Amino acid sequence: QKEVEQNSGPLSVPEGAIASLNCTYSDRVSQSFFWYRQYSGKSPELIMSIYSNGDKEDGRFTAQLNKASQYVSLLIRDSQPSDSATYLCAVPSDSGGGADGLTFGKGTHLIIQP
Amino acid sequence: KAGVTQTPRYLIKTRGQQVTLSCSPISGHRSVSWYQQTPGQGLQFLFEYFSETQRNKGNFPGRFSGRQFSNSRSEMNVSTLELGDSALYLCASSNLAGEQFFGPGTRLTVL
Repeated sequence: QKEVEQNSGPLSVPEGAIASLNCTYSDRVSQSFFWYRQYSGKSPELIMSIYSNGDKEDGRFTAQLNKASQYVSLLIRDSQPSDSATYLCAVPSDSGGGADGLTFGKGTHLIIQP
Repeated sequence: KAGVTQTPRYLIKTRGQQVTLSCSPISGHRSVSWYQQTPGQGLQFLFEYFSETQRNKGNFPGRFSGRQFSNSRSEMNVSTLELGDSALYLCASSNLAGEQFFGPGTRLTVL
């Protein structure tokens, strides 16, 4: 049974600062990692996917993956109040390369303070 | 491109009843996954379908079942509803990279 761990927060960050969200996972063979954003009362929205070690940047978002440490993070630069949401980390449930549901962490509640 | 659609959006049932939820994936996506989201347990994987075959299943009782049709549309069914089945049920369709895109969800309330 895979496990994905996230600090539930709330994580409070001033507007314009960098928000840093962290996630650890239990399975060393995981190959794909995903970050979702979920606003209250809405469904999760995919914001980043990362498959190899290192950094991946997309606009104000940067995902960082370290497979040796089983650690993936999400940085949000120039944080805006609209970034206030719960951020979910996910890895495929099945490492066998076939069909994959996702195992999700419980999410980090991020609050951007104006 | 239209996103994932789910019907109905809201549902109220009583204990012991059964319910069927429907999901239409993004055009061209052949994989559909279902999840249950509750405040206490978070997002939990129910099952995944590809080409009308269930390929993967989460740790849920047999009361939870699903199917997929030839047009990739999927349904899930919950029989003998319990109070604890009250949740947001989410459907997601996957692209070839394994990225999953969620529909708006069906909010089920069991009284």
